[in-house]
Amino acid sequence: AAGVIQSPRHLIKEKRETATLKCYPIPRHDTVYWYQQGPGQDPQFLISFYEKMQSDKGSIPDRFSAQQFSDYHSELNMSSLELGDSALYFCASSLGPLKPQHFGDGTRLSIL
Amino acid sequence: RKEVEQDPGPFNVPEGATVAFNCTYSNSASQSFFWYRQDCRKEPKLLMSVYSSGNEDGRFTAQLNRASQYISLLIRDSKLSDSATYLCAVNNEKAGANNLFFGTGTRLTVIP
Repeated sequence: AAGVIQSPRHLIKEKRETATLKCYPIPRHDTVYWYQQGPGQDPQFLISFYEKMQSDKGSIPDRFSAQQFSDYHSELNMSSLELGDSALYFCASSLGPLKPQHFGDGTRLSIL
Repeated sequence: RKEVEQDPGPFNVPEGATVAFNCTYSNSASQSFFWYRQDCRKEPKLLMSVYSSGNEDGRFTAQLNRASQYISLLIRDSKLSDSATYLCAVNNEKAGANNLFFGTGTRLTVIP
């Protein structure tokens, strides 16, 4: 079965650079979530979208923004990158709010 | 106080043993509950949803106690392949919100 697709799998950036992470949800899933997981930490919710509208916002820095497009894929845009942004970034999708979320493989972002 | 609390472990058990994890949540209005399994440096994978009446999937049994605000996961006849971190997740639905709050995870190692 098709799963959540994230790209790139790995990304290396320097401080103050920008990065864009992409997420393609499971077909027919209309809700997308972004999470950040630091080393030894649990996943922390950043932001979510339902039917292309932002539905909830968590601990997402102002330097980050995201959107969901007409084909339901989502992009997380990160600017003025800091060392502390180094983490695994997961995208998850669900068939509607409150439904089980299925995670992509994640993007490992390393800031040098 | 974190929304979701878990004993981080580690739990080291022999093959064939039965092991149980508990997780407490702080928001009495929480509606959806899940157990996820996460292997090192991989994405969280949905293990099972947790229903009010309790539910079982093979060797895994999940239970919800709304009065005491905790959920549990029981693993019977542990296999080596069960070694992983088990994350409980709670979906706190408030106005416009549907994100997951994760516990810090409980590390399980099944020993031959």
